[in-house]
Amino acid sequence: GQQLNQNPQSMFIQEGEDVSMNCTSSSIFNTWLWYKQDPGEGPVLLIALYKAGELTSNGRLTAQFGITRKDSFLNISASIPSDVGIYFCAGHPRGGAQKLVFGQGTRLTINP
Amino acid sequence: NAGVTQTPKFQVLKTGQSMTLQCAQDMNHNSMYWYRQDPGMGLRLIYYSASEGTTDKGEVPNGYNVSRLNKREFSLRLESAAPSQTSVYFCASSTDRNTEAFFGQGTRLTVV
Repeated sequence: GQQLNQNPQSMFIQEGEDVSMNCTSSSIFNTWLWYKQDPGEGPVLLIALYKAGELTSNGRLTAQFGITRKDSFLNISASIPSDVGIYFCAGHPRGGAQKLVFGQGTRLTINP
Repeated sequence: NAGVTQTPKFQVLKTGQSMTLQCAQDMNHNSMYWYRQDPGMGLRLIYYSASEGTTDKGEVPNGYNVSRLNKREFSLRLESAAPSQTSVYFCASSTDRNTEAFFGQGTRLTVV
């Protein structure tokens, strides 16, 4: 249905490594959003994607809206300690009115 | 720039007590949302409001009621709190359909 499956659930990497995570669904989405959440805070928007095939960057972050409109990925290049946190994908499903649904999150841990 | 403001930040309730979580946004957004976040489960949509005067159920509406008091304010009410409602609650808002949402800082609720 309109569930979002986010992978991986957790990542343990060395500082300086690149990171890749993705989100998939069996349903079509009109929008894909990527958020980061730090402990004790609300999610903060990183990147918003509105068109199939769209590739958008925000500094070291790059995200793409899948051609099928059923998936999206987020890449982080040259990770640094402040990248630690939980990353969520989210999206507006087609026909879902104003609903905004979230994936389960990817917890990123970085070893210095 | 206050953005989305939630009150209170922390609350402890006894089972059976009632309370209302308040949310206000100063961005002139049409849509507002209430989510709950439990460990390992991401954010689950409780209720949302596409515009002033309308509300709709999300994924987990049972045990909750909402009121879209005006364009700025969207409150969440627990009529008879249960331990299963222990969670962190987030309010969010967005300009219109299929656009990015901005989040408040959250309310950490414990029901004992």
